[in-house]
Amino acid sequence: DTAVSQTPKYLVTQMGNDKSIKCEQNLGHDTMYWYKQDSKKFLKIMFSYNNKELIINETVPNRFSPKSPDKAHLNLHINSLELGDSAVYFCASSQRASGSWGYEQYFGPGTRLTVT
Amino acid sequence: QKEVEQNSGPLSVPEGAIASLNCTYSDRGSQSFFWYRQYSGKSPELIMSIYSNGDKEDGRFTAQLNKASQYVSLLIRDSQPSDSATYLCAVNGDSNYQLIWGAGTKLIIKP
Repeated sequence: DTAVSQTPKYLVTQMGNDKSIKCEQNLGHDTMYWYKQDSKKFLKIMFSYNNKELIINETVPNRFSPKSPDKAHLNLHINSLELGDSAVYFCASSQRASGSWGYEQYFGPGTRLTVT
Repeated sequence: QKEVEQNSGPLSVPEGAIASLNCTYSDRGSQSFFWYRQYSGKSPELIMSIYSNGDKEDGRFTAQLNKASQYVSLLIRDSQPSDSATYLCAVNGDSNYQLIWGAGTKLIIKP
């Protein structure tokens, strides 16, 4: 049973191209996220949606555009890809943990994007 | 700017010993604290969450939270080579939805 899935797992493309990454979760969570993890392994939040509403929109180039058609899906479209976009992109989902007010995040397997 | 700090390591621990990982955070108002494990080439995996001062145990893992000193630690008892990974500390940000992440500590368990 895959909880958070992403496609594709690997993406190799040339500068200037447009590409999309898709994410789906079957955990019934209300909130989904996109993270970028660069070569130094630091996790950086990009976007978050709660019930299809954008709630976190960090400072990222407007070439990146998220879309959430429903609360189980969150896609990321990237226009005019640049060398610096090469990284691993993780999707995650969360829901309030039982008996607490913390939101535990669960990650997909990641999409390794290489821009040449 | 809220920050979460971890020693990047690598932290080398002999097999069977206790591995101790530490994390400090800047926001005194933080309420939710998480430890994730990330194997090389894999995604972060939640191993512990803690919300109250004190210790929380789960198998070989113990999370310790001290809000007065603003630190959270993770102890791994009877360390195994399979525990070798990068351990990420995360603390809630301005909203419950948002996590502030440390840069991670690389742990190496030597047989």
